[in-house]
Amino acid sequence: EPEVTQTPSHQVTQMGQEVILRCVPISNHLYFYWYRQILGQKVEFLVSFYNNEISEKSEIFDDQFSVERPDGSNFTLKIRSTKLEDSAMYFCASTRDSQETQYFGPGTRLLVL
Amino acid sequence: EDQVTQSPEALRLQEGESSSLNCSYTVSGLRGLFWYRQDPGKGPEFLFTLYSAGEEKEKERLKATLTKKESFLHITAPKPEDSATYLCAVGRRDDKIIFGKGTRLHILP
Repeated sequence: EPEVTQTPSHQVTQMGQEVILRCVPISNHLYFYWYRQILGQKVEFLVSFYNNEISEKSEIFDDQFSVERPDGSNFTLKIRSTKLEDSAMYFCASTRDSQETQYFGPGTRLLVL
Repeated sequence: EDQVTQSPEALRLQEGESSSLNCSYTVSGLRGLFWYRQDPGKGPEFLFTLYSAGEEKEKERLKATLTKKESFLHITAPKPEDSATYLCAVGRRDDKIIFGKGTRLHILP
């Protein structure tokens, strides 16, 4: 069964450093998403991406964040200058149609020191 | 403001003891209500999508129902492997999904 994959599974970085989180969505999916979940809190929407551009973003997704689909398979989330409060699990999700169910990857646990 | 509230926050059941989890929501322009299961340190795993009031879906020991204001996830004769956090989420017409905080379910053998 096809699934969303994410790398790395864990990332530790120093405050102020740049990180890139990678996702490979399900191959025939066209809509891509990033979410985050701070420990013990709810899953929060960050951004949706379709047709090589951002379609929606939340207040969390400020100028420090960017997304890219550099080739036909990868979907990345970049945090330019990490802050302590960026420590969280980051989930990628994809769907074939925006009206359909989103399928989530296993997540990347980001720890900013 | 759009909101998803799940109750209870945590639930401990004996194996075989059936129960229901509640998800109440307010959202402008509901496009679907989703139930996910999340194991510790893992991503949400899709269970059900419900689109309209009165709709029901079943999968093994789980059944999800939807009204105009809430959804229930019924668990019949649960087993220890059903222990997880169950997340309810609503999809808005602008493509965003709003999650509830989840119900932590623990089934005792």
